[in-house]
Amino acid sequence: AAGVIQSPRHLIKEKRETATLKCYPIPRHDTVYWYQQGPGQDPQFLISFYEKMQSDKGSIPDRFSAQQFSDYHSELNMSSLELGDSALYFCASSLAGWGNEQFFGPGTRLTVL
Amino acid sequence: DQQVKQNSPSLSVQEGRISILNCDYTNSMFDYFLWYKKYPAEGPTFLISISSIKDKNEDGRFTVFLNKSAKHLSLHIVPSQPGDSAVYFCAASAPMAGANNLFFGTGTRLTVIP
Repeated sequence: AAGVIQSPRHLIKEKRETATLKCYPIPRHDTVYWYQQGPGQDPQFLISFYEKMQSDKGSIPDRFSAQQFSDYHSELNMSSLELGDSALYFCASSLAGWGNEQFFGPGTRLTVL
Repeated sequence: DQQVKQNSPSLSVQEGRISILNCDYTNSMFDYFLWYKKYPAEGPTFLISISSIKDKNEDGRFTVFLNKSAKHLSLHIVPSQPGDSAVYFCAASAPMAGANNLFFGTGTRLTVIP
């Protein structure tokens, strides 16, 4: 079965650069979530989209923005990167509605030097 | 503010025995709970879930118990197998309140000893 696809899997950037992470949800899933997992920490919710509209917002810095496109894929744009942005970024997708499990992608490991 | 807590960072169990992973939460709005398993270099894999209207859900070797009054849930794995060795995350959400995003615990690393 098709899973959530994230690209790239690894990304190395310098401070103050920008980065774009991409997420392709499971086919027919209409909701996408972004999570950030720092070293030794639990995943923290950043932002989610349902039917191309932002649905929930968590601890996402103002330097970050995201959107969901008409094909339901989503992109997380990160600007003015800081050392503390180094983390694993997970995308998850689900069907909208109560009690639908979120399925996670393999993550993008971002390293900011 | 950690709303979902897993107080045991690690657990070791002999193969064939029962593994019990515990999770506590503080937010009474949470009404949907999930367990995820995570291997290194992979995303969390969904294992089992339970809604707040139930106190038990079973799927094969995995059973989740929910005690709403104590704001506590546990995952039982029996019998434990070496392939179960991974980090297990408890997660909670409040979909009835319109918040489907997950709040994760800090994880428990389970090691099943052959």
